[in-house]
Amino acid sequence: GQQLNQSPQSMFIQEGEDVSMNCTSSSIFNTWLWYKQDPGEGPVLLIALYKAGELTSNGRLTAQFGITRKDSFLNISASIPSDVGIYFCAGQLDTNAGKSTFGDGTTLTVKP
Amino acid sequence: DGGITQSPKYLFRKEGQNVTLSCEQNLNHDAMYWYRQDPGQGLRLIYYSQIVNDFQKGDIAEGYSVSREKKESFPLTVTSAQKNPTAFYLCASSTPDGYNEQFFGPGTRLTVL
Repeated sequence: GQQLNQSPQSMFIQEGEDVSMNCTSSSIFNTWLWYKQDPGEGPVLLIALYKAGELTSNGRLTAQFGITRKDSFLNISASIPSDVGIYFCAGQLDTNAGKSTFGDGTTLTVKP
Repeated sequence: DGGITQSPKYLFRKEGQNVTLSCEQNLNHDAMYWYRQDPGQGLRLIYYSQIVNDFQKGDIAEGYSVSREKKESFPLTVTSAQKNPTAFYLCASSTPDGYNEQFFGPGTRLTVL
C-alpha cells in the first residue's frame, strides 16, 4: 500500500523559533491533511490542502501541497509552549473513499 | 455540543476475551472509521463505513469486527483472534461530500493482560 515518510521524527526547539516538517510519498495524493495530537487525545485537524501547489495558512501555521502531489510541508512560526504535541500528515488518493494514509508523526517539544 | 464520544477511556481485559469499544457521533456524518495507534507510529485503518449497514475492511482488519446498524454508532469488537490487541484506538467520522476531513474522538486505550 501507499506509505508516507514524515520527517523529522522529533524536534526540540526553543520558544519563539520557527518549525518546519514535511511528508513525502512514492505515489501521488489528491488531498493532504495535517493534524495535531495532544498526549492521550485524538488528532485535531489543522489544515487541509486540495490542490497541487496550494499554500494555506491557519494563524501561525502554513502548509503547502507539493507541485508533484507527492509531498507536503507544515511550518509553524514563532512557536509557543502549547505547540507541543505530535503532528501527523495524512494523504488521500480518492476524496470519496474516506481512506487516509498517515505518516508516523513528528513529536515537537518546545522549551520555554 | 456536536462531537464524537468514545467509551471507556481506559479498558483492561484478560487475554482471550472479546471486548467491544464504543463510538458515537451526533454530527450527522455518514462515514465513520476505526484506527489503531501504537507508540511512535501513525494511525492504521482497521475498518470504515460509508453508510449504515455497510462497512469495508481497512489495512489491518484481521482480528477485529464492526457493525453499523445506526448512523450515529460504529462499535468495534476486538476479538481473541487479534494477536496483539494492546493499543490506542481512535474513532473518526466525516461527511463524504468530496472533502474527507475526518474528526476524531478522544480515543480508548485498551490493555490486554
